[in-house]
Amino acid sequence: SQQGEEDPQALSIQEGENATMNCSYKTSINNLQWYRQNSGRGLVHLILIRSNEREKHSGRLRVTLDTSKKSSSLLITASRAADTASYFCATASAPYGNNRLAFGKGNQVVVIP
Amino acid sequence: DAGVTQSPTHLIKTRGQQVTLRCSPKSGHDTVSWYQQALGQGPQFIFQYYEEEERQRGNFPDRFSGHQFPNYSSELNVNALLLGDSALYLCASSGLTSSDEQYFGPGTRLTVT
Repeated sequence: SQQGEEDPQALSIQEGENATMNCSYKTSINNLQWYRQNSGRGLVHLILIRSNEREKHSGRLRVTLDTSKKSSSLLITASRAADTASYFCATASAPYGNNRLAFGKGNQVVVIP
Repeated sequence: DAGVTQSPTHLIKTRGQQVTLRCSPKSGHDTVSWYQQALGQGPQFIFQYYEEEERQRGNFPDRFSGHQFPNYSSELNVNALLLGDSALYLCASSGLTSSDEQYFGPGTRLTVT
């Protein structure tokens, strides 16, 4: 069953603005991960947050995790045209671990130069 | 160091035919997972191979089968193709440790007519 589910949004923002997208899931998780996909190609791993973490940063990315609400958010600050892509959250749960991820439907982000 | 590679890039088949997709994992990886991504959707887990055996399987019919070779490369076979099998097929590799990150290949775009 699909666990990670983003709010199915299509965001269109100006370069330099921040982009925020959300993800909810249904069962207990080991970790939650965010991926980027450009033009229907392969997935690029962005960041992983473990179930005992609440916030994590990586460069211009900030991820939060609220296990009580079973939700996560991804913030991209100071967006660039190159950030135009689809963004997916994916959850890893016991007993499967990272080798069996449950993905959401994705958010399409367009950054206008 | 080559990442995950997949072949072919694109493929067009007719309903009822059979197809084989190939994946070579990232150097040092011994576990391969396959995902199906329909247009506009997130990837769905098909199955995972380790030590030449299927270790986990998602909710896919027996028409989907696979194989892993001693060099860790893998094949995905789909028999009796349906129009609904049209999708991007992604291969991901990792170590078997459940905390290992998965690295995704660029995918094979399968179109069934």
